[in-house]
Amino acid sequence: NAGVTQTPKFRILKIGQSMTLQCTQDMNHNYMYWYRQDPGMGLKLIYYSVGAGITDKGEVPNGYNVSRSTTEDFPLRLELAAPSQTSVYFCASSYWGAYRTDYNSPLHFGNGTRLTVT
Amino acid sequence: AQTVTQSQPEMSVQEAETVTLSCTYDTSESNYYLFWYKQPPSRQMILVIRQEAYKQQNATENRFSVNFQKAAKSFSLKISDSQLGDTAMYFCAFGNDKIIFGKGTRLHILP
Repeated sequence: NAGVTQTPKFRILKIGQSMTLQCTQDMNHNYMYWYRQDPGMGLKLIYYSVGAGITDKGEVPNGYNVSRSTTEDFPLRLELAAPSQTSVYFCASSYWGAYRTDYNSPLHFGNGTRLTVT
Repeated sequence: AQTVTQSQPEMSVQEAETVTLSCTYDTSESNYYLFWYKQPPSRQMILVIRQEAYKQQNATENRFSVNFQKAAKSFSLKISDSQLGDTAMYFCAFGNDKIIFGKGTRLHILP
């Protein structure tokens, strides 16, 4: 049981390049999230998904795109990378059923991807 | 808009002391969950404690407990008998399907 797996761990991009951050989970969680964490700051929600085929914007979606074609995978696409996107990116997943049930899970996080755009 | 505020950017306490980290939030929702996460220097995000907003009883997890005041939208974390390994960033978070985080409190446990 690997949990939430993010690849790559580190990446350096040049301004204007694009890339995809991969995230996969093997816990059959229905909810998945992408956060970014700037140095010394908290986590900002980029996008989230409540199930395959459904995605929604978070607090800071500009410059990013996501897709959720399967329950397991939730890739994050950066188009035209900018220095402002230099950050650590965390993917997370959870299980949410009905409210007030004990089987709802907290967020399980991947180990993060450190991205530098120069 | 939903917001989370952690008013203490940094705190230091002596080992074995008790420390309380503050968190306030704002939402128009009535059903949600609240969390405290710990982030040590390894950058890993570790769940410390979780509270369901519909439960009046405050959650406890060994040395960690919360003081949840729903009307005041306050959710503080108390760490008793603090240990050197508690040194980390602590983040308050809340939500239902969309989970948002505060800016964090950097906690130093001094020997």
